[in-house]
Amino acid sequence: NAGVTQTPKFHILKIGQSMTLQCTQDMNHNYMYWYRQDPGMGLKLIYYSVGAGITDKGEVPNGYNVSRSTTEDFPLRLELAAPSQTSVYFCASSPLGRGDYGYTFGSGTRLTVV
Amino acid sequence: LAKTTQPISMDSYEGQEVNITCSHNNIATNDYITWYQQFPSQGPRFIIQGYKTKVTNEVASLFIPADRKSSTLSLPRVSLSDTAVYYCLVGDRAASKIIFGSGTRLSIQP
Repeated sequence: NAGVTQTPKFHILKIGQSMTLQCTQDMNHNYMYWYRQDPGMGLKLIYYSVGAGITDKGEVPNGYNVSRSTTEDFPLRLELAAPSQTSVYFCASSPLGRGDYGYTFGSGTRLTVV
Repeated sequence: LAKTTQPISMDSYEGQEVNITCSHNNIATNDYITWYQQFPSQGPRFIIQGYKTKVTNEVASLFIPADRKSSTLSLPRVSLSDTAVYYCLVGDRAASKIIFGSGTRLSIQP
C-alpha cells in the first residue's frame, strides 16, 4: 500500500517554463488536495478536488491549474513559472473529506524556480 | 473555519511532558479539534482528534475544556524524535478542506 505518491521529489525550473507535479493515491480516496509550504511557514491550500471531474480553488490558486480525470490522480500544473513559486508542494488525500479519518500526505516535491 | 492561535515555538528536554495549547475562541458546534505533526522534509501526519473532554491514543492526549475555546495537546515523556512542527486545526469533520495555520515548532534537547 503506497499511500500518496508524488513525483518528482526535486526539480529546478527556469522562469517562464511550465511543468506538472504528479500525485497518485491508491487508497480510493475521493478527496485530494494540493498545498504549498514556503520555508519556515505553514501550509497553504492551492486547489482541492472532491471527486473525479470536480475541482475548486483554495487559498492561493493563482499561477496553478489542476485536473482530476480519475480518482487516483490529481496533477498540479504550473504555467509560466515565477520565483515566487519556489516552495515545497504537498499532495494529500482523504476518504470523503472526513476529517475524522485524517488526511494522508505525500512526501512532497521541492521545486526551485530560477 | 475557526481561527486558531498557538505558540510559535517551544523548547523542552527528553523525558519531559510537553503541553501545547491552542486557542480557538470562535469554534462552532460542529467543529472538531485535530492535531497534526510535521517532521522536516515530510508531509504532516495526523496525530489526534477530539470534540470534548479528553482523548488519548498511543501517541498523545488531547484535553478540551467544557467551553471548547481552547485545547491542549499533551506529549508524554518526549524524545529527540518528537522535534517537529505541531498544527492545531479546527473544523467540521465533513468539511471538504482544511486550512493549516503556522503551527508550533517544538524543539527537544538532550
